[in-house]
Amino acid sequence: ETEMTQSPATLSVSPGERATLSCRASQSVGTNLAWYQQKPGQGPRLLIYGASTRATGIPDRFSGSGSGTEFTLTIRSLRSEDSAAYHCQQYNFWPLTFGGGSKVEIE
Amino acid sequence: QVQLVESGGGVVQPGGSLRLSCAASGFIFSSSGMHWVRQAPGKGLEWVAFIRYDGSIRYFADFVQGRFTLSRDNSKNTLSLEMVSLRPEDTAVYYCAKDNPQDYFLDNWGQGTLVTVST
Repeated sequence: ETEMTQSPATLSVSPGERATLSCRASQSVGTNLAWYQQKPGQGPRLLIYGASTRATGIPDRFSGSGSGTEFTLTIRSLRSEDSAAYHCQQYNFWPLTFGGGSKVEIE
Repeated sequence: QVQLVESGGGVVQPGGSLRLSCAASGFIFSSSGMHWVRQAPGKGLEWVAFIRYDGSIRYFADFVQGRFTLSRDNSKNTLSLEMVSLRPEDTAVYYCAKDNPQDYFLDNWGQGTLVTVST
């Protein structure tokens, strides 16, 4: 099973600043990596797939990068509505696996 | 727009059974693979199972160990997860999610249904 590790667990950022989240895979997953946003009490929402392609309707403040085992989700110009948990998922191997999540708090 | 509505969650004793359902609308259900993903309280997401658009292929997480049965009714746009021999560690919110046709990422999710396994 491909283990996905996310860091940091929690990140506190001021509005207007940038948040950088990391996701590491225990083996290369190529660019078969997705990011999801989840707000309390809601189901996750797809943000990024293919490591760097934004899903429909996702603002360009969100960007993804990386390949192989190291991936990054960057959120520019943070807004209060970006306060949420962010999850990465690899889909290169079965079983599909998720990271433990990173929580972004807006100060 | 795509809607996925889960139902069937509740409280069940260890060793008990439960059947979850997911009602789908807003897309061609019979052409879409579907997943179940769960989230234990305060924890991350954990993939549970996948079924191909026609039901011909199913994949399960190792922890399922033959306890869960996944089925779909394309005439009723419904996905089902039958769970038996439930354990306290199965306690979680269970989400159904639509598979993207390009690859195995999940492009739409429901709101989830809570399953609590406890005495």
